[in-house]
Amino acid sequence: DAGITQSPRYKITETGRQVTLMCHQTWSHSYMFWYRQDLGHGLRLIYYSAAADITDKGEVPDGYVVSRSKTENFPLTLESATRSQTSVYFCASRPRQGRGLGRNTEAFFGQGTRLTVV
Amino acid sequence: GNSVTQMEGPVTLSEEAFLTINCTYTATGYPSLFWYVQYPGEGLQLLLKATKADDKGSNKGFEATYRKETTSFHLEKGSVQVSDSAVYFCALMSSGGYNKLIFGAGTRLAVHP
Repeated sequence: DAGITQSPRYKITETGRQVTLMCHQTWSHSYMFWYRQDLGHGLRLIYYSAAADITDKGEVPDGYVVSRSKTENFPLTLESATRSQTSVYFCASRPRQGRGLGRNTEAFFGQGTRLTVV
Repeated sequence: GNSVTQMEGPVTLSEEAFLTINCTYTATGYPSLFWYVQYPGEGLQLLLKATKADDKGSNKGFEATYRKETTSFHLEKGSVQVSDSAVYFCALMSSGGYNKLIFGAGTRLAVHP
């Protein structure tokens, strides 16, 4: 199916374990993003990528690692999970911004992964 | 740096009431502005957008006008429905760099019959 999908939808893990959240998009969008959603903070950017093999830190990158070996995949890894990383994680993708009026600037979001660290 | 400030919720309204959710922003250059909506248990969906000053975005009865002079992008709807109950996020996309989306904290809207 076309679109952007995240897996798993729900995950419970223990403190100190490594966990990877998957994100896959079928549009070949250049840009991909990882956000975390916490009450009172809205969505905060963790990492983003402008293309395969190009990634950069967002607002809250500590404790997370990303990779982008293929355009369609953008996994997020928590190297050693902590309780403060309990959150809902959203992946998003967007095509490269066009020029002139009517440029496509919409980002598309996955359904989210609810992660609980116990 | 770039930032978005939204009015705190929750906002509770009766069906057919008028809705306003305030949003102001701080940004350099000429950002694009967005409203996203999140229904319970779902991801975010684009509701409307405006890419330059004085543009009005509209969709599903919602409207917002890009006001550069007041750095605002307030969301309005003349008559809300129960089905509009959701969390609404104001966001901006900067005009340079990787064009990252910067979100406000979100405003929860509850509409009662």
